[in-house]
Amino acid sequence: DIQMTQSPSSVSASVGDRVTITCRASQDISNWLAWYQQRPGKAPKLLIYAASSLYGGVPSRFSGGGSGTDFTLTISSLQPEDFATYYCQQANTYPFTFGQGTRLEI
Amino acid sequence: QFTLKESGPSVVKPTQTLTLTCTFSGFSLTTPGVGVGWIRQPPGKALEWLAVIYWDDDKRYSPSLKGRLTIMKDTAKNQVVLTMSNMDPLDTGTYFCAHRLGSWFEPWGQGAPVTVSS
Repeated sequence: DIQMTQSPSSVSASVGDRVTITCRASQDISNWLAWYQQRPGKAPKLLIYAASSLYGGVPSRFSGGGSGTDFTLTISSLQPEDFATYYCQQANTYPFTFGQGTRLEI
Repeated sequence: QFTLKESGPSVVKPTQTLTLTCTFSGFSLTTPGVGVGWIRQPPGKALEWLAVIYWDDDKRYSPSLKGRLTIMKDTAKNQVVLTMSNMDPLDTGTYFCAHRLGSWFEPWGQGAPVTVSS
């Protein structure tokens, strides 16, 4: 299985801050990577697919980058509704695998 | 607009078989390229992909759970059913179904909480 490792596991930030979360794959996955946001008690929502493509309706302050094994999710100016947990997911090879999550806290 | 909703028992006993149903609308599992997957989340922990089924009845399973999982579709009812045998307390968590969009999952159902306890 491809292992997905996110860092940091948690991060504290303030409204208006710029935050970057990283995700590392244990082998080359090209750009077969997605980012999801999960608020407490809710289902995950797709933010970014194919490593850097913004899903429809997602605010432009979210951006993704990287390819191969190293990827980033950047939120350019944190808003109150962005405080949530973020997961990366690889879709290069079955079984699809998720990172362990990054909790973004105030 | 695609919607999905999971249903099934909220409590099962150890060694029992769990059967979960995902009822969806807004798309068809007869359309080429379409799939529905299952993902679970233990309390306070990360997401774990379980299985996916496609419009052509191709099925993929998590190797760590293969042998315990079966995924099936009923295109007439717009449903996907996941069964998991030999349930253990470690299988406690929320089970989500989701529409496979290209290679990604979106949208997701609201989730079905399952507790394994005697």
